[in-house]
Amino acid sequence: AQSVTQLGSHVSVSEGALVLLRCNYSSSVPPYLFWYVQYPNQGLQLLLKYTSAATLVKGINGFEAEFKKSETSFHLTKPSAHMSDAAEYFCAVQYNNNDMRFGAGTRLTVKP
Amino acid sequence: DGGITQSPKYLFRKEGQNVTLSCEQNLNHDAMYWYRQDPGQGLRLIYYSQIVNDFQKGDIAEGYSVSREKKESFPLTVTSAQKNPTAFYLCASSALWDYQVYNEQFFGPGTRLTVL
Repeated sequence: AQSVTQLGSHVSVSEGALVLLRCNYSSSVPPYLFWYVQYPNQGLQLLLKYTSAATLVKGINGFEAEFKKSETSFHLTKPSAHMSDAAEYFCAVQYNNNDMRFGAGTRLTVKP
Repeated sequence: DGGITQSPKYLFRKEGQNVTLSCEQNLNHDAMYWYRQDPGQGLRLIYYSQIVNDFQKGDIAEGYSVSREKKESFPLTVTSAQKNPTAFYLCASSALWDYQVYNEQFFGPGTRLTVL
């Protein structure tokens, strides 16, 4: 079965430090890949998406992700963390309209 | 503004009672979804619908029911048969699948259900 694995349920960084959130997927065919962000008691907001146009995808709030087919990965990065980045982040893989699989989520904490 | 609304934001219910969560969208999307979110488990699909008067079970449909009488609305009923209903429920919508175009899902703000 297709699945998404997010390594690390909690990640803590200092303000201004690099943010790296890891996502690996299992798939025999190229999927569509997404990163969503969720603030407490809110819905999910799309950060960025990979649709095969380019392997390096830029999203909102300074985040970007790189699709690496050989590693089946789609890690999310941001060069310099801001306090407002503290949230939960979800990687998702979509194979058809009815089958979007979400990772378990990574909670990002940003220390002052 | 286009978007998805869910009501209420917080809901409390006694054991043995059915409760209905509202989801409305004005994005003109054909597809709508209900997810359940529990800490550390990501999102799990309960039901989805691609067209009015039609819907399919997701991974965890037991104890839930839905209806799709209007394109804009996709209410979810949590029945007394659901063994552990306390959770955060998210509604989403998207355009229909097109193999040449990705279709991201747009999410509502969620409803937190607590069973007392």
